[in-house]
Amino acid sequence: QSALTQPASVSGSPGQSITISCTGTSSDVGDYDYVSWYQQHPGKAPKLMIYEVRNRPSGVSNRFSGSKSGNTASLTISGLQAEDEADYYCSSYTGSTTPVMFGGGTKLTVL
Amino acid sequence: QVQLVQSGAEVKKPGASVKVSCKASGYTFTGYYLHWVRQAPGQGLEWMGRINPNSGVTNYTQKFQGRVTMTRDTSISTTYMELKRLRSDDTAVYYCARGRMTTDYWGQGTLVTVSS
Repeated sequence: QSALTQPASVSGSPGQSITISCTGTSSDVGDYDYVSWYQQHPGKAPKLMIYEVRNRPSGVSNRFSGSKSGNTASLTISGLQAEDEADYYCSSYTGSTTPVMFGGGTKLTVL
Repeated sequence: QVQLVQSGAEVKKPGASVKVSCKASGYTFTGYYLHWVRQAPGQGLEWMGRINPNSGVTNYTQKFQGRVTMTRDTSISTTYMELKRLRSDDTAVYYCARGRMTTDYWGQGTLVTVSS
């Protein structure tokens, strides 16, 4: 199984919105509403930002939102702030013998 | 609050084994899978496998079958990940993470360096 496909990098200016895509297949992203998004700052552990496609854990800013269409999930960050600069990873449940799959990661640069 | 605390950094020689621990607190240990995910330097996240702390049943990704063993000790709410026959490309930060269908809380990570 290949990793989920994410763009290697995205960028935006403070205050703008950006969207990161995560493309899988009908066996993972397309078949289950168990897509999560993680933020990782250098040297830190990943932090859950979105779970089950669109739900935010307590304490996560409402500037972060998630959605899904077909085999592609998306993370949107509105009102970009300098502190949002980080790597972002998606993951999906797959229902197979490898039940969890990650995307390759996207580096977000706030210009 | 949910916490996953991992054991400290390790340096191993090629061919050796390493065993990393992950102690859970703040929730019912047997209620969630514990997953192990690794991240090589400058690379992305790689799911290795998971253990059901209630039953001890494990699922490993094919890449690590035969080299990895995940166990748990429910009396101390701790899971372990042992990786055998280490190679230089096993150098990575190893994370444990709680979750059911995917993961939510993560440990702080354990750096394993494989070098002769």
